Amino acid sequence: QSALTQPASVSGSPGQSITISCTGTSSDVGNYNLVSWYQQHPGKAPTLMIYEVIERPSGVSNRFSGSKSGNTASLTISGLQAEDEADYYCCSYAGRSTWVFGGGTKLTVL
Amino acid sequence: QVQLVESGGGVVQPGRSLRLSCAASGFTFSTYGMHWVRQAPGKGLEWVAIIWYDGSNKYYGDSVKGRFTISRDNSNNTLYLQMDSLRAEDTAVYYCARDKLRKYFDYWGQGTLVTVSS
Repeated sequence: QSALTQPASVSGSPGQSITISCTGTSSDVGNYNLVSWYQQHPGKAPTLMIYEVIERPSGVSNRFSGSKSGNTASLTISGLQAEDEADYYCCSYAGRSTWVFGGGTKLTVL
Repeated sequence: QVQLVESGGGVVQPGRSLRLSCAASGFTFSTYGMHWVRQAPGKGLEWVAIIWYDGSNKYYGDSVKGRFTISRDNSNNTLYLQMDSLRAEDTAVYYCARDKLRKYFDYWGQGTLVTVSS
């Protein structure tokens, strides 16, 4: 159960787009379309932003989108806003009823 | 609305035990699987355990297998995590989260802090 690999930090200016990558293996990300993304503001609980690679829960802005290619999933945030500044975590089902998270990415809105 | 409220955290010595609780409301608890996820201070999220909606199946992360036990009381809408043989590296905020079809975590509690220290 090795953690998925995410960049430690990304940044962008308001209105710009950023993409956060999440690299796993053929045993997790590459084998299941069960990647989800979570946003976490400091001192708060995580909240679901994307599920099943590309699906967006009701109430989540359409500025957030997900994709996957091979063993790497990605979260794209378009039209960056100040309130998007947070930590983002990817997660993948890893088989045998286990899950694995990424190490997290700190998004800074400049 | 869905609410998950964790409790039971605190400071405990290495080697001792602690039991966490997660009180659920706003949904039919007995029809959902539930997870525990933890986050060490300044670190990322780590999946800990899942229990099926009826308690029939339980699975654990490698780092807690054999030391932690997940359980539930559907009559009282409560999820538990029994933590034995605690180590310093178990220090973390522990979140309970609702399982959605064994695919993702759709609601999270606010977490309870466990500190393992002598």
